Amino acid sequence: EVQLVESGGGLVQPGGSLRLSCAASGFTFSIYRMNWVRQAPGKGLEWVSYISSTSSDIYYADSVKGRFTISRDNAENSVYLQMNSLRAEDTAVYYCARDSRPRGITGTAHYDYWGQGTLVTVSS
Amino acid sequence: EIVLTQSPGTLSLSPGERATLSCRASQSVSSSYLAWYQQKPGQAPRLLIYGASSRATGIPDRFSGSGSGTDFTLTISRLEPEDFAVYYCHQYGSSPPWTFGQGTKVEIK
Repeated sequence: EVQLVESGGGLVQPGGSLRLSCAASGFTFSIYRMNWVRQAPGKGLEWVSYISSTSSDIYYADSVKGRFTISRDNAENSVYLQMNSLRAEDTAVYYCARDSRPRGITGTAHYDYWGQGTLVTVSS
Repeated sequence: EIVLTQSPGTLSLSPGERATLSCRASQSVSSSYLAWYQQKPGQAPRLLIYGASSRATGIPDRFSGSGSGTDFTLTISRLEPEDFAVYYCHQYGSSPPWTFGQGTKVEIK
């Protein structure tokens, strides 16, 4: 069974930092691309960042570029989101989501599995 | 950036009725890279439809997707009690940023 479990959320002051983790199991993590998607309280979904299976391709939403860093450790079956210079508008539930297409299949992909999310609250 | 606009914002229907949700893109979505997700309160989104019209594994056939280019539709043929939720469209075309619509809430009338 595919499982994605996020952790690392919490309360942080504006300007602070936080590192989110997403632990994957039930599939060959090293061949799948991964994403972070966030949802502010009572709002819709916003794609945040993408990392390819080998970390060779990385993308960010403009709203987080220069402040957030995505990374992965295929030996640990985990993907991370380092968040610096946090702002009130970064307050959200952060989900990790798996791209449906494994390495070797070209093109972009929808997200077939999602974690349950971790809440990040930026407030003084 | 491709902007997705979903309508209506809220759909008030009774169980057994048909629901038709719209998702319009600001520019053509390449290769019909359009998905639909269902989200219930306190839960993660669940994939329903990908490639505009392909049902995900385990999704009942009362859910169907159609459309191409800039206009896409999610239809629920007969609403079951468990279908009352928020629905999001998502374009995953060739270039980031990949975007979501603002959501349509299907509520019990």
